Amino acid sequence: AQTVTQSQPEMSVQEAETVTLSCTYDTSESDYYLFWYKQPPSRQMILVIRQEAYKQQNATENRFSVNFQKAAKSFSLKISDSQLGDAAMYFCLHAGGTSYGKLTFGQGTILTVHP
Amino acid sequence: KAGVTQTPRYLIKTRGQQVTLSCSPISGHRSVSWYQQTPGQGLQFLFEYFSETQRNKGNFPGRFSGRQFSNSRSEMNVSTLELGDSALYLCASSLGQGTLTDTQYFGPGTRLTVL
Repeated sequence: AQTVTQSQPEMSVQEAETVTLSCTYDTSESDYYLFWYKQPPSRQMILVIRQEAYKQQNATENRFSVNFQKAAKSFSLKISDSQLGDAAMYFCLHAGGTSYGKLTFGQGTILTVHP
Repeated sequence: KAGVTQTPRYLIKTRGQQVTLSCSPISGHRSVSWYQQTPGQGLQFLFEYFSETQRNKGNFPGRFSGRQFSNSRSEMNVSTLELGDSALYLCASSLGQGTLTDTQYFGPGTRLTVL
């Protein structure tokens, strides 16, 4: 089964600064997808960014970008020009493959943004 | 377009009872997946349905079951409730066909408390 590890339970950043959230995963699959989702306090979980493992190019979505290192099984999220609205719990997610339990979440990282 | 809706939003049950949660996906989405979120175990995948068939299943006991109707609405049932079943149950829909690799659109969740 896959495992996903987010080693930073909590992170903080000043408004307008840049922060990087780490995620590592362990899988024997060659074809899979990786996601970052955010869950703001008392609000619905929403997609931040999606990466297909077969694509070499790192995904980017406005102020959000990833550093995908397939060989190292690392998938970090960089948030540039942080905004107060970025404060949330961020989950790294591995999806796909043929093994039991095909969708695995990391433990989450709580991001605080200071004005 | 209306988002994913879940009913009820809050529920209190006692041990040994059973409960049914409902999820209405975004119009046009045919895949519905369910997740359990607890402080201790984090986010865990329960199962996914597509075209009224369970396509993927996480590592949960048989007390947890679900079904999907022809209009893509889904229900999740938990029988013989245990204290440890207290959790936020999230439902998500996607345009995917049961592969879990498409973007998930989450509902607000049902908060279940077992006394």
